[in-house]
Amino acid sequence: LAKTTQPISMDSYEGQEVNITCSHNNIATNDYITWYQQFPSQGPRFIIQGYKTKVTNEVASLFIPADRKSSTLSLPRVSLSDTAVYYCLVGDESGYSTLTFGKGTMLLVSP
Amino acid sequence: ETGVTQSPTHLIKTRGQQVTLRCSSQSGHNTVSWYQQALGQGPQFIFQYYREEENGRGNFPPRFSGLQFPNYSSELNVNALELDDSALYLCASSPYDAAYEQYFGPGTRLTVT
Repeated sequence: LAKTTQPISMDSYEGQEVNITCSHNNIATNDYITWYQQFPSQGPRFIIQGYKTKVTNEVASLFIPADRKSSTLSLPRVSLSDTAVYYCLVGDESGYSTLTFGKGTMLLVSP
Repeated sequence: ETGVTQSPTHLIKTRGQQVTLRCSSQSGHNTVSWYQQALGQGPQFIFQYYREEENGRGNFPPRFSGLQFPNYSSELNVNALELDDSALYLCASSPYDAAYEQYFGPGTRLTVT
């Protein structure tokens, strides 16, 4: 499973766009990039998944450069409720996959 | 559509005791995974069940065991509890062919004293 590196913490203000970058230098050909969000004392919540270029849903966008050695989760116009830990995971889609979580990025959104 | 549910919400046990945690998977999901999350850490994979059989296991000792039932619900059993077993235990379900899009329950907070 590819190892990921993300910042330990980030600070932002309400209304700003937040970009969290994840490095995954040894990503394999079959690997997807997936991001989860976790609030205190709750289970992680799937945000977005992508393989290459750009993926967008109602919550976030995921930008993946051509070499796929990094990815950026973009949260548009954050609010206080976006304060959470964000995890970047890399792995294939086989049924034998397990989710390997690192420590994630603690995003603090202030008024 | 019912999400993943877990019971109990909180539990306090004494060192050496045994505990059983329960999980009901989301409708239509046939794969269940269990995770242990210590304070300030990311979730650590314990094991996964598919079609009532263990389908993968993380670096946890045999005293962590599980079951999956025909309705895809699952149990996590931990024997001979140790103080370090105190953590949030998370259950997640997914369709077999979308293993990375897992849906987590709210977790069970286990405290071992």
